[in-house]
Amino acid sequence: EMQLMESGGDLVQPGRSLRLSCTASGFNFGDYAMSWVRQAPGKGLEWVSFVRSKASGGTAEYAASVKDRFTISRDDSKSIAYLQMNSLKTEDTAVYYCTRVSLAVALFEYWGQGTLVTVSS
Amino acid sequence: EIVMTQSPATLSVSPGERATLSCRASQSVSSHLAWYQQKPGQAPRLLIYGASTRATGIAARFSGSGSGTEFTLTISSLQSEDFAVYYCQQYTDWPLTFGQGTRLEI
Repeated sequence: EMQLMESGGDLVQPGRSLRLSCTASGFNFGDYAMSWVRQAPGKGLEWVSFVRSKASGGTAEYAASVKDRFTISRDDSKSIAYLQMNSLKTEDTAVYYCTRVSLAVALFEYWGQGTLVTVSS
Repeated sequence: EIVMTQSPATLSVSPGERATLSCRASQSVSSHLAWYQQKPGQAPRLLIYGASTRATGIAARFSGSGSGTEFTLTISSLQSEDFAVYYCQQYTDWPLTFGQGTRLEI
């Protein structure tokens, strides 16, 4: 059975850093692009970041709101995707979902249950 | 950035009725349009991709249509479990963008 399990969410002060992890199982992780989508409390969905499979170059894309502060990466040997979040702002407070991206196009086939990041002093 | 606009924000319907949700893109996204369903306290779930193709395991009462800038999600006969928030998403260009959601309520 396919699973995505996020971890690393926490309460953190503005300006600090946090790293989220997404541990995948039940599929060949290295074949797929992975992405992070977030949802602020009571709000809609916002795409955050995307990393291609190694076969597709392993390159990343970012939303403008997080570019130069967040870094997505992947460790195919461990089936884990990461989101390194630096210089956190209060507006980064959200549930962060890890998603598996379709093989062909950039849509979100499967979602984890999410991990809550709260940025507050 | 392609802006996705959903209407209405909230749709009140009764079980057994038909629901029609709209999504408009600020520029053409061809058929690169997906719909997701999110129930309270749960992660979103992919319903429709390619504007009209149901994802694996999705009931036949869900259908999608449209291309270019105008899209529709139709639920033919609402079941109690269909009351949720629905989001559209374009995947034709970066950044990937979602609509603000339509809440389907009784």
